[in-house]
Amino acid sequence: DQQVKQNSPSLSVQEGRISILNCDYTNSMFDYFLWYKKYPAEGPTFLISISSIKDKNEDGRFTVFLNKSAKHLSLHIVPSQPGDSAVYFCAASGTRSGNEKLTFGTGTRLTIIP
Amino acid sequence: DGGITQSPKYLFRKEGQNVTLSCEQNLNHDAMYWYRQDPGQGLRLIYYSQIVNDFQKGDIAEGYSVSREKKESFPLTVTSAQKNPTAFYLCASSVSGTVSGGYTFGSGTRLTVV
Repeated sequence: DQQVKQNSPSLSVQEGRISILNCDYTNSMFDYFLWYKKYPAEGPTFLISISSIKDKNEDGRFTVFLNKSAKHLSLHIVPSQPGDSAVYFCAASGTRSGNEKLTFGTGTRLTIIP
Repeated sequence: DGGITQSPKYLFRKEGQNVTLSCEQNLNHDAMYWYRQDPGQGLRLIYYSQIVNDFQKGDIAEGYSVSREKKESFPLTVTSAQKNPTAFYLCASSVSGTVSGGYTFGSGTRLTVV
């Protein structure tokens, strides 16, 4: 049972344009969400997070939007740069339920075209 | 510099052999985790430990064992009972009691059964 889903395995975007990565979740106990970026043969690195008490969090070129009613979140990268080419994982946690373990999605491979 | 170190980076195992993957952190984190990455399946939790001398099974613990004798160390043994051990293994750590800021990941160990 995949509780965190990233339905697009890959995405190609022109350099300078906006990249939008999507993530859906099914567990209503999830209340904290994170995005990680991963290069091949390396560990994921934390990008940005959002608590369920917010609907938007911004950090430089990265913005995460949360739609709780739709159980959907998205990561916007603008402008996209070649170094953004990587696999992006969405992750969720149920902090209020005491479950701090992160549940990860399957990842989206983003390719930025120069 | 504080960080989390996994070794070796590449590991080859003959069928029927047990192998142990090392994970060491000097971040003073209480919690440590082992994930497995397979193509198209994201990161799946094998085992986690929130405190020394205690650990819990994750979603795919069968065929694996762990120990947590020291705060800094969380080795993973892949036993001969694991049917499909070839994968990329990631160790992570976090401050127990919060997922704010997410996990810190090691750079991974790629295990191949030959």
